[in-house]
Amino acid sequence: ETGVTQTPRHLVMGMTNKKSLKCEQHLGHNAMYWYKQSAKKPLELMFVYSLEERVENNSVPSRFSPECPNSSHLFLHLHTLQPEDSALYLCASSHDLEGASGTYEQYFGPGTRLTVT
Amino acid sequence: QKEVEQDPGPLSVPEGAIVSLNCTYSNSAFQYFMWYRQYSRKGPELLMYTYSSGNKEDGRFTAQVDKSSKYISLFIRDSQPSDSATYLCAMSAGAGGTSYGKLTFGQGTILTVHP
Repeated sequence: ETGVTQTPRHLVMGMTNKKSLKCEQHLGHNAMYWYKQSAKKPLELMFVYSLEERVENNSVPSRFSPECPNSSHLFLHLHTLQPEDSALYLCASSHDLEGASGTYEQYFGPGTRLTVT
Repeated sequence: QKEVEQDPGPLSVPEGAIVSLNCTYSNSAFQYFMWYRQYSRKGPELLMYTYSSGNKEDGRFTAQVDKSSKYISLFIRDSQPSDSATYLCAMSAGAGGTSYGKLTFGQGTILTVHP
């Protein structure tokens, strides 16, 4: 596996279900991010981790719970979601936090297409 | 007012055309500017990166930044069907103090280049 991988690629869940999204980066990066991408809206940053420590929670509802057990893995635990949470959830990584080493390149995974029914 | 405005299109052009994609922004602290390309069913990938004002060229792609007008552009010369994708602008004020250089994205422009 190379780059950033995400599983599952598609997920349909009911509002009362609990599910988890998984992200793995094979790039040796120190920072990882969760974004939400909805139609006709800009990418919304949700969470940022640097060296397994959360550095940003961008006013995300508590029904989304991130977990970063090590610098290569990032999870997004989902429970009691709403239909408006249906979107593409993108994971990204960067060598360090944006700007920390003078670079701004993030490497994105293919995303998980989430549908909440 | 959104921090970054980008016309979502869609934009459809014939092969070989010159494409112009644009973003405007309101935060004068932005000084790092990027263009990401996102193919269908894929995540975005960095296409161009520019610091402050000026032009940067890479093959058929030219990125232009006008900080005085708070306006950035991406030009694609001799466009190809393989350029069909969503193009997202992104920008950052840079890291400073205790904050990191968080990226703010535009909503993306859908481009189709037809043969």
